Amino acid sequence: EIVMTQSPATLSVSPGERATLSCWASQSVDSDLGWYQQKPGQAPRLLIYGASTRATGIPARFSGSGSGTDFTLTINSLQPEDFGVYYCQQYEDWPLTFGGGTKVEIK
Amino acid sequence: EVQLLESGGGLVQPGGSLRLSCAASGFNFHNYAMNWVRQAPGKRLEWVSNIGNSGGPTFYADSVKGRFTITRDNVNNRLYLQMHSLRVEDTAIYYCAKDSRSIGGHDLDSWGQGTLVTVSS
Repeated sequence: EIVMTQSPATLSVSPGERATLSCWASQSVDSDLGWYQQKPGQAPRLLIYGASTRATGIPARFSGSGSGTDFTLTINSLQPEDFGVYYCQQYEDWPLTFGGGTKVEIK
Repeated sequence: EVQLLESGGGLVQPGGSLRLSCAASGFNFHNYAMNWVRQAPGKRLEWVSNIGNSGGPTFYADSVKGRFTITRDNVNNRLYLQMHSLRVEDTAIYYCAKDSRSIGGHDLDSWGQGTLVTVSS
């Protein structure tokens, strides 16, 4: 099983600042990596797929990068509505696996 | 607009059974693989099962293999998860999630709001 690890566990960012979230895979997943945002009491929402492609309707302030084992989600000019937990997910191999999440708090 | 609406959750005793359902609308259901993903309270997301667009192939997490069965009805646009021999550790919100492709597991581009399954005596 491919283990996904995310860092940091919690990130406090002021509105307008940049947030940088990291995700590592225990083995290469090429670019088969997605990022999701989950707000309290809500279902996850796909932000990024293929490591760097924004999903439909996702604002340009969200960007993804990386390949292989190291990935980054960057949120430029953080907005108050961007609070929540962010998960990475690999789909290179079965079982599909998710990271433990990074909670983004608005400072 | 893609809509996924889960139902069938509830309280069940250990060893019991439950059948979850997901009603899909707003897209060509028969063209896409579908998944079940669960989330225990305060825990990370855990993928449970996947089914191809035509009803196969099917894939399962080791934690549910042999106990859960995923099926779909492409006439009525419904996805199902039959759960047997339920354990306390199966307690979670179960989400129905649309895959981005017809076969295999990929990014999950639409999710339902989830249905809560509680396994307790």
